[in-house]
Amino acid sequence: LAKTTQPISMDSYEGQEVNITCSHNNIATNDYITWYQQFPSQGPRFIIQGYKTKVTNEVASLFIPADRKSSTLSLPRVSLSDTAVYYCLVGNNAGNMLTFGGGTRLMVKP
Amino acid sequence: EPEVTQTPSHQVTQMGQEVILRCVPISNHLYFYWYRQILGQKVEFLVSFYNNEISEKSEIFDDQFSVERPDGSNFTLKIRSTKLEDSAMYFCASRNGTGLLLPYEQYFGPGTRLTVT
Repeated sequence: LAKTTQPISMDSYEGQEVNITCSHNNIATNDYITWYQQFPSQGPRFIIQGYKTKVTNEVASLFIPADRKSSTLSLPRVSLSDTAVYYCLVGNNAGNMLTFGGGTRLMVKP
Repeated sequence: EPEVTQTPSHQVTQMGQEVILRCVPISNHLYFYWYRQILGQKVEFLVSFYNNEISEKSEIFDDQFSVERPDGSNFTLKIRSTKLEDSAMYFCASRNGTGLLLPYEQYFGPGTRLTVT
């Protein structure tokens, strides 16, 4: 499994765009990049997944450069309710376990 | 929107007692998982279950743990003789079998907080 590195914490203000970058230098050819969100005392929630270039859904965008050694989760116009821990996961073991790291604790301030 | 449910939301037990944590995965899902999260720590994988058998388990999932899908809807985690260090939030998750486009999209339940005293 490729090791991931992401900032421990980030602060932002309501209405701003937040970009959280994850490094995964040892990503393998068939690895996917997946992001999860976790609110306090709740289970993680899938946000977005990608393999290369850009993926966008109703919640976020995921930017993956050509070398795939990093990825950036972009949250447009955050609100207070986006305060959570965001996890970057990399792997190709689709049927089985997710391996969570420490995540990035995002605090959105008014 | 379908969701994974877990009961109870909070379980307090004494050391050495057996506990059973229950989960109802999303109805058409085929892959089932248990994870745990000790307070302030990472989410850790315990076990995955597919086609009525364990497909993968972590080092945490020792002989004290077992899983079962007793009927078509429930998925349970049993801890035979609880230890203080088993105190954690336990999350059940499920995934459908046709996740060709989103193979890592697992749906997590709200968790059961287990407190061992």
